Amino acid sequence: AQSVTQLDSQVPVFEEAPVELRCNYSSSVSVYLFWYVQYPNQGLQLLLKYLSGSTLVKGINGFEAEFNKSQTSFHLRKPSVHISDTAEYFCAVTHGGSQGNLIFGKGTKLSVKP
Amino acid sequence: DAGVIQSPRHEVTEMGQEVTLRCKPISGHNSLFWYRQTMMRGLELLIYFNNNVPIDDSGMPEDRFSAKMPNASFSTLKIQPSEPRDSAVYFCASSLNRGGTEAFFGQGTRLTVV
Repeated sequence: AQSVTQLDSQVPVFEEAPVELRCNYSSSVSVYLFWYVQYPNQGLQLLLKYLSGSTLVKGINGFEAEFNKSQTSFHLRKPSVHISDTAEYFCAVTHGGSQGNLIFGKGTKLSVKP
Repeated sequence: DAGVIQSPRHEVTEMGQEVTLRCKPISGHNSLFWYRQTMMRGLELLIYFNNNVPIDDSGMPEDRFSAKMPNASFSTLKIQPSEPRDSAVYFCASSLNRGGTEAFFGQGTRLTVV
């Protein structure tokens, strides 16, 4: 069975500082990995995804994530955050044979302070 | 495309009443998902359909919950009778039936059962 662990439920950070949101997954088969963002009172939007190839994936709004198979991790990073990045971020996994069923982590609330 | 459309956006109902949530997926998508989001349990998959057929309903909490997809452009999630613990945000998402494709989410329905 697949599962996703987001190690931090809340991450406070000052504007223009770097941030890393951690995600670990467990799966016995090859996986596809996703990061979604949820702004207040909205649905989830895709930030980026890893399917295959280069382990460093770039997404929207200056975010990037690195797939590390040996550590079963897919951490999300941004070198300099903005107030508008305040939101909840979800890591998700689906396996290679899946028909699209995503398993989500419990989310990390990023709070960017001026 | 207008994206995934859910209605209503907000629903307040009394305990014991029937509640019906509606979803129109993105045209051409053939996988549809219903998720429930609460503070305590995070984002949970309730059920998903491929080509209008329910594939996995193991996440449906109990018999009070039922979901249908009579055609490719419409799905409902019904709760009968509703209980206060059903209060949550319910999301519908759709995707192409292909491994590695992301799901596109609606804005959600915030259900409050009093």
